Amino acid sequence: GIQVEQSPPDLILQEGANSTLRCNFSDSVNNLQWFHQNPWGQLINLFYIPSGTKQNGRLSATTVATERYSLLYISSSQTTDSGVYFCAVAPVGSARQLTFGSGTQLTVLP
Amino acid sequence: NAGVMQNPRHLVRRRGQEARLRCSPMKGHSHVYWYRQLPEEGLKFMVYLQKENIIDESGMPKERFSAEFPKEGPSILRIQQVVRGDSAAYFCASSLLGGYGYTFGSGTRLTVV
Repeated sequence: GIQVEQSPPDLILQEGANSTLRCNFSDSVNNLQWFHQNPWGQLINLFYIPSGTKQNGRLSATTVATERYSLLYISSSQTTDSGVYFCAVAPVGSARQLTFGSGTQLTVLP
Repeated sequence: NAGVMQNPRHLVRRRGQEARLRCSPMKGHSHVYWYRQLPEEGLKFMVYLQKENIIDESGMPKERFSAEFPKEGPSILRIQQVVRGDSAAYFCASSLLGGYGYTFGSGTRLTVV
């Protein structure tokens, strides 16, 4: 099956710093989503981005489908950004089940 | 729009009991997916359902687990004779089109004692 690798596994930032999270995948996809799991366990959909670039406030994401990677940018980080960020993909021809990466644990310090 | 509603939020069961987890998809969504998150792990796909049909259950354990999405009412994930290894967070997601733009519920945290 498709492989999803996220880096870095852990990231500690000071409030106000910027960061870039990366997601590499092993096959062509037609579904890619970024999620934030907050410290209470809730899973928040950040972006549906199988290709191209999107922005939402301090967050933006870029997927380069031909090179099989996606990047999530967090600018001016806040303590509420802490949690685990997951990338999830579904390969072409099997758009139903998402395969999740192992996540990036982000801690933003005040 | 109330989003994807899961209940209960927390469920405690003794070994050997049955657990029933409920999921109401977003209004207008007819595709439902169940995922399981074991402690310190990512989410793993379990089953994909449309109204009255199981489309893909390749991630479901072969025994004790079943899922349904009836014509009326929520989707149900049922775990019979629970064991401690079933302790996990169970998430439900729904989508408008098959596999695109999932929205997840807040999950049910099952603890087996």
